[in-house]
Amino acid sequence: NAGVTQTPKFQVLKTGQSMTLQCAQDMNHNSMYWYRQDPGMGLRLIYYSASEGTTDKGEVPNGYNVSRLNKREFSLRLESAAPSQTSVYFCASNRDTYSNQPQHFGDGTRLSIL
Amino acid sequence: DQQVKQNSPSLSVQEGRISILNCDYTNSMFDYFLWYKKYPAEGPTFLISISSIKDKNEDGRFTVFLNKSAKHLSLHIVPSQPGDSAVYFCAASARYSGAGSYQLTFGKGTKLSVIP
Repeated sequence: NAGVTQTPKFQVLKTGQSMTLQCAQDMNHNSMYWYRQDPGMGLRLIYYSASEGTTDKGEVPNGYNVSRLNKREFSLRLESAAPSQTSVYFCASNRDTYSNQPQHFGDGTRLSIL
Repeated sequence: DQQVKQNSPSLSVQEGRISILNCDYTNSMFDYFLWYKKYPAEGPTFLISISSIKDKNEDGRFTVFLNKSAKHLSLHIVPSQPGDSAVYFCAASARYSGAGSYQLTFGKGTKLSVIP
């Protein structure tokens, strides 16, 4: 039972490079989320997708784009990476955003931008 | 402006004793509260939650208490075990009117160390 799977687990980029973080869930959830966690900080919402075909901005969307490829997959793209985007990125999913269902998280992608 | 605050970055407790982790919030629109547990190099795992209409929720060794008037909640772990050593995040949920969807706001976390 994989739950939420994120790839890659680690990545080092140079400033200005682009990258796509992948996320897939096998729980038949409608809603998916991308968060970032910086040292000594809580998780902050970047973007979310309430359902297939929809995406919305969260608290810190600048510098990112997302694609809800299908019900299972939700990707996060950095078009031109900046050192300020060095962080741990977590993908999460839950049944839907319209009820208080706990979100299930992947194990994260640790991204360093030099 | 932090809406969910965990003012203790760390806590050490002897095995078998009670661990009490605290969380304060400022937004009166929060109506659901969750605790997540996180081990190093893993994602957060849902632990326990409480609705704003309740003041206590219990699940085995874990109990969450909510004091709405004080905008304060706490997680009690009794008895504490070495395997409970992790970072605990408090999160609060509110419905945002734009899309009508619930979004979580997280605290910065408290690192619990249970000493054998």
